[in-house]
This record gives sequence, structure tokens and C-alpha cells, in this order.
Amino acid sequence: NAGVTQTPKFRVLKTGQSMTLLCAQDMNHEYMYWYRQDPGMGLRLIHYSVGEGTTAKGEVPDGYNVSRLKKQNFLLGLESAAPSQTSVYFCASSYGGSGGYEQYFGPGTRLTVT
Amino acid sequence: QQQVKQSPQSLIVQKGGISIINCAYENTAFDYFPWYQQFPGKGPALLIAIRPDVSEKKEGRFTISFNKSAKQFSLHIMDSQPGDSATYFCAARALNFGNEKLTFGTGTRLTIIP
Repeated sequence: NAGVTQTPKFRVLKTGQSMTLLCAQDMNHEYMYWYRQDPGMGLRLIHYSVGEGTTAKGEVPDGYNVSRLKKQNFLLGLESAAPSQTSVYFCASSYGGSGGYEQYFGPGTRLTVT
Repeated sequence: QQQVKQSPQSLIVQKGGISIINCAYENTAFDYFPWYQQFPGKGPALLIAIRPDVSEKKEGRFTISFNKSAKQFSLHIMDSQPGDSATYFCAARALNFGNEKLTFGTGTRLTIIP
């Protein structure tokens, strides 16, 4: 099993450009999450999904959109990138509910917005 | 709003010593408290977790101590080794209308020196 994979690993964007980050998991997990990690601020939840076709806002959702069209994939979109979105983005997944609470993280995407 | 406060921000411990990282929370609805370990360039991975119905959980050299009345929990690493050098995040889970979310602390960068 590959676990949680993220594409791309690195990206540099200019202000105003758009992009989509792809997260895929092969563990048949119901729940998927997008976090951003910034120095001194830990991991902050952007959006999450509790099942195929569902999405919900997390702690810092502004400037991001997500979609979960297939159970195994969770996409994070930046419609108009801003320098404040320079960060490392992590996707995670979990069984959820009685299946267990452990979140499995991907390797991250380092995004720089200039 | 930071619901889980973690300290210290960084910690240097000699090989063989005890590393202690502390976390405090306010939300009494939290019902699961994991610690995640993150090596440079990698995603976080679950290290150990505790439920509030026990005061201590030990797995090898790693121990979580939990004080429900004080709303505090801590990670103790006994006989610390250079391979333990990593960033450690405490977290807390709240179940809200079937939606599971983890709130993370800001992280502690641990360095074990020979």
C-alpha cells in the first residue's frame, strides 16, 4: 500500500495564479483532511471531508476550495494564490468513527507564492 | 483560537536524559489525545495516544501522563536517543455531530545531543 500520496511535492506560483493539490489514499478511509503547516503555528485544518461527496470548513478555509468526488481522492484548490498561502500543505486520512481515530499523513507539498 | 497550548517551543536534551513536553487544553469536550512525531521533510506520524479515562499510558520509552482535572497532558521520552530528534505535536480530538477533527498544538522541536 502506498498510504497517502500528494502531488506535487513542490510548487512555485506567482500571485494571482491558481493551482490544485491532489491527495490520494489507498486505505479505504472515509475521512480526509487538508492542513497547512507554518513555523510556530503547528498544523491548522483548512478543510475536511467525512465521506465521498462531502466537504466542510476547518479553522482556516479562506482562499481555498476542496472537492471529494471519489472516496480515495481529496483535492485542494487555490483560485488566486497570495503570498500568505506560502506554506507546507499536508493531506491526511482516517477511518473515522468506530474504525479508529488515527490520522495518516502524506509527505507534504511545499508551496511558495511570490 | 488556540485550543491546545504546547510548551516548550524547542528543547535540547542530552542523550540518555528524559525529554518532557507539555500541553494544556480548555475544551472539556476533547476525548482523545494523541502525540504525533514529525521528522524533517516528512509528514507527521502517530506516536502514542491516550483517552481521558486513564492517567498514564506507556509504550516503550514513550509515556503520556494525563491530568484531567488540570486539563493537562505531557509526553515523556525516557533514555532519549539522537534518533528521537524530531518535532512533536500534541493534539486533541473533539467529536461534533459526527465530524471528527484534531486540534494540534504548535509543536516542539526536540534535539538530542550526544
